[in-house]
Amino acid sequence: QSVLTQPASVSGSPGQSITISCTGTTSDIGGYNHVTWYQQHPGKAPKLMIYDVSHRPSGVSNRFSGSKSGNTASLTISGLQADDQADYYCGSYTRNSTLGVFGTGTVVTVL
Amino acid sequence: QVHLQESGPGLARPSETLSLTCSVSGDSISSDDYYWGWIRQSPGKGLEWIGSVFHTGSPYYNPSLESRVTVSVDVSENQFSLRLTSVTASDTAVYYCARHSLVTIFGVTTAGNTFDVWGQGTMVNVFS
Repeated sequence: QSVLTQPASVSGSPGQSITISCTGTTSDIGGYNHVTWYQQHPGKAPKLMIYDVSHRPSGVSNRFSGSKSGNTASLTISGLQADDQADYYCGSYTRNSTLGVFGTGTVVTVL
Repeated sequence: QVHLQESGPGLARPSETLSLTCSVSGDSISSDDYYWGWIRQSPGKGLEWIGSVFHTGSPYYNPSLESRVTVSVDVSENQFSLRLTSVTASDTAVYYCARHSLVTIFGVTTAGNTFDVWGQGTMVNVFS
């Protein structure tokens, strides 16, 4: 099963903006607008932050935004806050499987 | 508010069968709007989709686990279950149940990948 590639870690200072990339192929990210992003704090279940590339579920801060260009999706966190320190996973629909795929995960550190 | 709760043994011996149940409250598992799935996370690792089921019983499985996995639904109890046979130490993980959307791709409706409600997760250790 294919896996989407994310940077292992990204860091930033409070108030700054950071961007996490998620690279796939034309079979997944590049072929469909069904990219998701999840935030996971230690010992907790993942939380949906972005769906369908750029849509935020109710209750998710507008500091979180998603986009896509070609085979790469991105999650941008603006106005970085201490509570944003967590692991972030992307996901995508894929035509190569009846199930979707997840990314490798990115550790976000707030300096 | 929709709530999912996993239950089942936290320990399993190698070669045994792991069985977990996810109880759903605040939503009907018979909804035509959602699939119900299982995802696991090995210690220090990423997320792995195990399998999902619709209320009609139509399942989808991760090809790498398909020979050992059964995901089933019990509409009367508003719950769904995971059965994983012949477990090994590599099956040690936190197991999550989650609700996820459908998508329509070129006119065909199938399981989507937007997991909007998750259970808290249950740790399963496989060791002899």
